[in-house]
Amino acid sequence: AQRVTQPEKLLSVFKGAPVELKCNYSYSGSPELFWYVQYSRQRLQLLLRHISRESIKGFTADLNKGETSFHLKKPFAQEEDSAMYYCALNQAGTALIFGKGTTLSVSS
Amino acid sequence: KAGVTQTPRYLIKTRGQQVTLSCSPISGHRSVSWYQQTPGQGLQFLFEYFSETQRNKGNFPGRFSGRQFSNSRSEMNVSTLELGDSALYLCASSSGLAPNTGELFFGEGSRLTVL
Repeated sequence: AQRVTQPEKLLSVFKGAPVELKCNYSYSGSPELFWYVQYSRQRLQLLLRHISRESIKGFTADLNKGETSFHLKKPFAQEEDSAMYYCALNQAGTALIFGKGTTLSVSS
Repeated sequence: KAGVTQTPRYLIKTRGQQVTLSCSPISGHRSVSWYQQTPGQGLQFLFEYFSETQRNKGNFPGRFSGRQFSNSRSEMNVSTLELGDSALYLCASSSGLAPNTGELFFGEGSRLTVL
């Protein structure tokens, strides 16, 4: 069965520290993966997708098919990065399956 | 460009009642997806509609249903409400066409409380 696992409910780091939000997936086909973010009192929004291989707000994510992972990384966390982060898998091109999310808290 | 609009934003119902939630997608978007968000289960996929047809369905009981109109607006209905249906119901729209099927634009949600 298709599944997205985010093992950490909460990740707390200090400003300037590196961040890695973990995401593992289970999918029989060729995966299409995304990271979505929800800042306080804002709508859930797309952060980045693995196909574009771009860096958004300093975040990058690499798809590792061997380890079935799509971890989100940022070398130096900022306080404005504090938010809820969701990893998502595009199932059959018609449904996004989300992990349960990780709350990132960045303190000074 | 107006964002995804959901109505009503908040509602309170009692067990056994039914509820209808509405979603207006971004202009030009033909796909509408619905999600149930709860603290324990996170975001769970309910169903996706594209051009008035249900293309995919999550693992929810038949009490949960939806439809899409010719103008792409969508409604979802929950009948015989149970306490466990209390949740934030999120609607998201997209073009529905590859390669952008995973780029969803979310509404603010409809907060349903079942007493």
